[in-house]
Amino acid sequence: GQQVMQIPQYQHVQEGEDFTTYCNSSTTLSNIQWYKQRPGGHPVFLIQLVKSGEVKKQKRLTFQFGEAKKNSSLHITATQTTDVGTYFCAGRTSGTYKYIFGTGTRLKVLA
Amino acid sequence: EAGVTQFPSHSVIEKGQTVTLRCDPISGHDNLYWYRRVMGKEIKFLLHFVKESKQDESGMPNNRFLAERTGGTYSTLKVQPAELEDSGVYFCASSLGTSVADTQYFGPGTRLTVL
Repeated sequence: GQQVMQIPQYQHVQEGEDFTTYCNSSTTLSNIQWYKQRPGGHPVFLIQLVKSGEVKKQKRLTFQFGEAKKNSSLHITATQTTDVGTYFCAGRTSGTYKYIFGTGTRLKVLA
Repeated sequence: EAGVTQFPSHSVIEKGQTVTLRCDPISGHDNLYWYRRVMGKEIKFLLHFVKESKQDESGMPNNRFLAERTGGTYSTLKVQPAELEDSGVYFCASSLGTSVADTQYFGPGTRLTVL
């Protein structure tokens, strides 16, 4: 079945350092979404990518969708303590409505 | 506008007991999804309702799980009898439509602990 792998599983960074998490799908995706879950909270939608090679920015966050639409990345520039949480990608294949989530990357930012 | 709500927020039951989780989607959202996150693992899709109909229940683990959405509004997910491996956080999400442009909005989740 379809799988979405996400790496790394954990990342500890010093405040001000950059951070990147990567998602790889075993199948071509129609779109990919990114979510952030704060400790004790629920997944909150960040962004959606649809087009091959698409790049979107939200302040210090940069999201990329691969040319083959099988991988994606989230890059945070100059992390802050407020960036702490688990970042999930979720991909959907054409013809289905359900999203397959990656395993998540838990980010810790040390002040 | 109220978001997706779930009840209860926590539930602790013993193996063999029954538990019913409830989800109230955002008003007007026809699409309702159930997901589950078992400790340390990924969030897994369980099923998808369009109004009161089950569109996709391919993620339901076994027949101990029963989801309903009578009237196409709120949904319940019943686990009977509960087993230890059912412990985890159960999330509900809703969306207006199912197109690529439709965002899923997640509820706060129900943390289920089976002892």
